[in-house]
Amino acid sequence: EVQLVESGGGLVQPGGSLRLSCAVSGFSLSSREMNWVRQAPGRGLEWVSYTSSTSSATFYAESVKGRFTISRDNAKNSLYLQMNSLRVEDTAIYYCAREMMLTPGDALDLWGQGTMVTVSS
Amino acid sequence: QSALTQPPSASGSPGQSVTISCTGTSSDVGGYNQVSWYQQHPGKVPKLIIYEVTKRPSGVPDRFSGSKSGNTASLTVSGLQAEDEADYYCSSHGGIGDSDAFYVFGTGTKVTVL
Repeated sequence: EVQLVESGGGLVQPGGSLRLSCAVSGFSLSSREMNWVRQAPGRGLEWVSYTSSTSSATFYAESVKGRFTISRDNAKNSLYLQMNSLRVEDTAIYYCAREMMLTPGDALDLWGQGTMVTVSS
Repeated sequence: QSALTQPPSASGSPGQSVTISCTGTSSDVGGYNQVSWYQQHPGKVPKLIIYEVTKRPSGVPDRFSGSKSGNTASLTVSGLQAEDEADYYCSSHGGIGDSDAFYVFGTGTKVTVL
């Protein structure tokens, strides 16, 4: 079955760190660009980060630049998001999402079920 | 880049049509034919329903259609059905410059089927 499964969310204090993982099955991660998108409780979608298939290009939202790092291990079919210096406003469901096999930036055609990150003291 | 602007809500009776607007700038919606739309039911994962402004992924009913004029994109749901009641988000590629957002999402529109 083609799916994305996120893990690693939880409760963390402000200033803390978390590493999210996204396990890919049913297709080869090595051929696909990937993204992280988040959604604060009761709020809309916010793009967080993008990585090209070989990690040669990575992009970040201004709100997380310098604090979050996207990475991937194509051999393990896994995508990661290292989140440091977490803030209360980072509280959200974090989704990993696959780029369509078209021009990068076109659309996200497969989403995981999400993992909840709560930043609170 | 700021979020794309959508109306907070829209509604229609079964069988009617509803159109949702999505307004951006020349740096996102107006600058790229890479506008997509997502449907999200409460507690569920977003689902892609329109990409490249007008195209539908396999399995998406042709009741869903997209268009764009200048800096504004639109999603029309024709022949409204009860299962169309959901939140809808537009999105656009926003560029790859240092201060760009690769994807810019809309503020979201809650569609109610009366």
